[in-house]
Amino acid sequence: EIVLTQSPGTLSLSPGERATLSCRTSQSVSSSYLAWYQQKPGQAPRLLIYGTSSRATGIPDRFSGSGSGTDFTLTISRLEPEDFAVYYCQQYSNSPGYTFGQGTKLEIK
Amino acid sequence: EVQLVESGGGLVQPGGSLRLSCSASGITFSSYVMHWVRQAPGKGLEYVSTISGNGGTTYYADSVKGKFTISRDNSKNTLYLQMSSLRPEDAAVYYCVKGGFDFRSSYTVWGQGTMVSVSS
Repeated sequence: EIVLTQSPGTLSLSPGERATLSCRTSQSVSSSYLAWYQQKPGQAPRLLIYGTSSRATGIPDRFSGSGSGTDFTLTISRLEPEDFAVYYCQQYSNSPGYTFGQGTKLEIK
Repeated sequence: EVQLVESGGGLVQPGGSLRLSCSASGITFSSYVMHWVRQAPGKGLEYVSTISGNGGTTYYADSVKGKFTISRDNSKNTLYLQMSSLRPEDAAVYYCVKGGFDFRSSYTVWGQGTMVSVSS
């Protein structure tokens, strides 16, 4: 099983700042098969990024994804108040038991 | 607009059974791989199960293998999860999730979830 480790566990930033969230995989993952999801309190997760860097429908361009191999990054260029949430990475490369990271909570400083 | 609406959650005693349903609209349901994902209170996301578009292929997390059965009725645009031998650690919000045309696709649309509680 591929293990995904996200860092930091919690990130405290202010609106307007840049956020950088990391996802490290225990073995190499094709960049075609890495996704990021956003979850707000009391809501279902929402797909943000798929294939490492492709934004899902309706996702603002302040969200971007990058990376390869075992190191992947989600960047939010200028934080808006609605961006404060929990973010999960997921690999969908290795069998349908697609694993998630443990999440990064992005909170308002 | 794609909509996934789960139902069937509730309180069940340890060792009991429950069947979750997920009604899909806005898509050609039979074309898509579907998944169940769960989230225990205050915890992260955990993969549960996957089924192919025609229902012929299924996958399960090790934690539910032999206890849960995923199925679908494409004539009713509905996904199911039959859960048995439930334990407290199965308590979670269960999400129905739309995948892609094949297994190697991200989880594109999520339902609002249905809560399962396991307690005596």
